[in-house]
Amino acid sequence: AQSVAQPEDQVNVAEGNPLTVKCTYSVSGNPYLFWYVQYPNRGLQFLLKYITGDNLVKGSYGFEAEFNKSQTSFHLKKPSALVSDSALYFCAVRDIYNFNKFYFGSGTKLNVKP
Amino acid sequence: DTEVTQTPKHLVMGMTNKKSLKCEQHMGHRAMYWYKQKAKKPPELMFVYSYEKLSINESVPSRFSPECPNSSLLNLHLHALQPEDSALYLCASSQGDRDRSYNEQFFGPGTRLTVL
Repeated sequence: AQSVAQPEDQVNVAEGNPLTVKCTYSVSGNPYLFWYVQYPNRGLQFLLKYITGDNLVKGSYGFEAEFNKSQTSFHLKKPSALVSDSALYFCAVRDIYNFNKFYFGSGTKLNVKP
Repeated sequence: DTEVTQTPKHLVMGMTNKKSLKCEQHMGHRAMYWYKQKAKKPPELMFVYSYEKLSINESVPSRFSPECPNSSLLNLHLHALQPEDSALYLCASSQGDRDRSYNEQFFGPGTRLTVL
């Protein structure tokens, strides 16, 4: 079975500070991992993905994520948070046995305070 | 064009009404999805169409009826809904599984549905 977990319901950070949103995965085989962001009353927007290759993945809006196989983690990071980064963030994994299926984490609300 | 469009943006309906949600994409994607999302929760998969055929139905009640008229369009027909069906309904698309693509899903902005 494939799954992802986001251990924090909410993350608070001050503007200008680095931010980390955590995600761990459980998959049998190679994981295909994604991060999405959702602003209020909007659809999900794709940020970045890990398929294979470099463990540090760079994405949209200055976000990056670090794939760590030994810790089965795929944490989202940004060196300097903006107030406009405040949103709901979802980690997701693609089912390698049913390629049309994606599993989402429970979501983490990021609050960036000025 | 990397956009998924959904209409209407908002919909209020009574429990005896029949209405439809519409979704459209022109990215050549062959997989299209319906999700239901409650506030501050992750999207819950309802249906997947792959190459215009229903490939996944996540035990959704029959008052929700999906339809895929062609590779660009996806509809969700609603009938005799319950107040607990009120939610944000999201459409998404991605490259088909025959491509063995590892690409992401593209989401529409959603339809905010309220059932009275």
